[in-house]
Amino acid sequence: DAKTTQPNSMESNEEEPVHLPCNHSTISGTDYIHWYRQLPSQGPEYVIHGLTSNVNNRMASLAIAEDRKSSTLILHRATLRDAAVYYCILREYGNKLVFGAGTILRVKS
Amino acid sequence: GAVVSQHPSRVICKSGTSVKIECRSLDFQATTMFWYRQFPKQSLMLMATSNEGSKATYEQGVEKDKFLINHASLTLSTLTVTSAHPEDSSFYICSAPRGGTNEKLFFGSGTQLSVL
Repeated sequence: DAKTTQPNSMESNEEEPVHLPCNHSTISGTDYIHWYRQLPSQGPEYVIHGLTSNVNNRMASLAIAEDRKSSTLILHRATLRDAAVYYCILREYGNKLVFGAGTILRVKS
Repeated sequence: GAVVSQHPSRVICKSGTSVKIECRSLDFQATTMFWYRQFPKQSLMLMATSNEGSKATYEQGVEKDKFLINHASLTLSTLTVTSAHPEDSSFYICSAPRGGTNEKLFFGSGTQLSVL
């Protein structure tokens, strides 16, 4: 499985945008970029995913670099409920999801 | 609402007993389900891929006789921790893919297993 690199932790102020980076320099052409998040004592929750083009949904936006070697998850207005561990994962269609260490996002009020 | 239901959410058992954890997909069929375990302050570790009607595929280092997986129907997979010991205490989570071409995974709420 291709690997991703994320910062261990990040901090944000409430109501401000948050940009969570992810490097995946060994990504292959068939790898989808997935983002999941996990709140304490809960199972992970799907956030967003994409292949080549930028993606938007009601939770977040995903900006993918042109060479696909990096991506950024954008939370447009962080709330206290967004405090979680965010995982950036490369996944071939239909394949298993292998989690890395993720980024701990702390949101300050 | 939840699309993957996991039960029980918490279980405490004595050393040497077996514990069964259920994972159900609600309103959709899942020919494949994934089982993870997670220790405190650590990431999720994939244990096995559960396949409906056939044997599960275990990740390297996971004992198949210790962690029995059964996927007897398109909506139910079970994980049985046999002869549990304190080192098996962990957070166990199941997931199932739902959707079309670009499928996303839905996760259960997890089962906290404590072995005394």
